[in-house]
Amino acid sequence: GAVVSQHPSRVICKSGTSVKIECRSLDFQATTMFWYRQFPKQSLMLMATSNEGSKATYEQGVEKDKFLINHASLTLSTLTVTSAHPEDSSFYICSASGSREQYFGPGTRLTVT
Amino acid sequence: KNEVEQSPQNLTAQEGEFITINCSYSVGISALHWLQQHPGGGIVSLFMLSSGKKKHGRLIATINIQEKHSSLHITASHPRDSAVYICAVETSGSRLTFGEGTQLTVNP
Repeated sequence: GAVVSQHPSRVICKSGTSVKIECRSLDFQATTMFWYRQFPKQSLMLMATSNEGSKATYEQGVEKDKFLINHASLTLSTLTVTSAHPEDSSFYICSASGSREQYFGPGTRLTVT
Repeated sequence: KNEVEQSPQNLTAQEGEFITINCSYSVGISALHWLQQHPGGGIVSLFMLSSGKKKHGRLIATINIQEKHSSLHITASHPRDSAVYICAVETSGSRLTFGEGTQLTVNP
């Protein structure tokens, strides 16, 4: 099946710094990419939907100025957590969709100290 | 009430047992997904269904659109099947709403 990669897989950063997470579709063109967040023992929650070349659509309660999403090409979307705080520590997962199927990345575990 | 409800939340089985995980939803959907999440966190898409039944190896997924219900079955379960199984429904714009997951443990 199609492959989606995320980088980095784990990141530890200090409070107040910014962290960028990359999501790449390796063997198909992803017209839409989704960013999810998962807290321990909880299910995934959709944060935002991004379409190539246009602004991301954020879910209610997700601050667009804090979680910057850029979908610059059909194979790359980035999520930047700005001015990270300990409560932003979570597991961030992207998925990419070309036609009907969605393919999930392996996730990025962010720890903010 | 969540839009997507899974049962059971936790399931322990002996190797070789037949396993069923259920998913009920309350909204109109365009498709239903079954996902598998291993302890490391990575997610694998098992099935995407809009009607009927699909089979892949020892896994079978069924959906009843009228009853808004889907089941995931695992035949001849194995310890390597131990994972969290997540039901997700797809609504407009390919948005997914997730169930809370079923933690499956298969003991040897």
